[in-house]
Amino acid sequence: EAQVTQNPRYLITVTGKKLTVTCSQNMNHEYMSWYRQDPGLGLRQIYYSMNVEVTDKGDVPEGYKVSRKEKRNFPLILESPSPNQTSLYFCASSYEFPGQGRNEKLFFGSGTQLSVL
Amino acid sequence: AQSVAQPEDQVNVAEGNPLTVKCTYSVSGNPYLFWYVQYPNRGLQFLLKYITGDNLVKGSYGFEAEFNKSQTSFHLKKPSALVSDSALYFCARGSWGKFQFGAGTQVVVTP
Repeated sequence: EAQVTQNPRYLITVTGKKLTVTCSQNMNHEYMSWYRQDPGLGLRQIYYSMNVEVTDKGDVPEGYKVSRKEKRNFPLILESPSPNQTSLYFCASSYEFPGQGRNEKLFFGSGTQLSVL
Repeated sequence: AQSVAQPEDQVNVAEGNPLTVKCTYSVSGNPYLFWYVQYPNRGLQFLLKYITGDNLVKGSYGFEAEFNKSQTSFHLKKPSALVSDSALYFCARGSWGKFQFGAGTQVVVTP
């Protein structure tokens, strides 16, 4: 089954304790991206990657890191989490990105609810 | 300035009536516009997209969207709403890797 898999589904942690949220897709997609969803703000893009070893900042990259060493994986790293990073996080992937062609449909993971105490 | 705006936090409609969810975008380059839907406790699902071409775009689940360049709008429509259409709807704009989403509109369809 074609899917984007995020883990964990729920995570409670404390301020300053490094954590990683994993994201993996099995569709051979070139493009992957991370978002956070907060009430009243919609989804805001954190980072995106157009291909292996190519990453770039979205609108809210502060406090986050990413890496794209393999095509299928795009982990989100919080080196020193803070309470304002409490949010619902989504990973997404697509075969192409907007403007590149005709296959820009984003596939989303099920989300990771993160609470930083 | 916000790239994508959804002026309504919530839209209430009776089942069988037409449904419209509004979206406007800021004018900057070519608009690659999308609609996504989020059902409770789930990730977002693609509904439709506008790249270039026809101003009326047809998508999944009977939804369509009308692109209006003069009004910089991309409103989502469905001729006859179903209770199962109750969900959170997001308008989005993409541009060479960057995506910006609106704040979302909660649609409530009552029987």
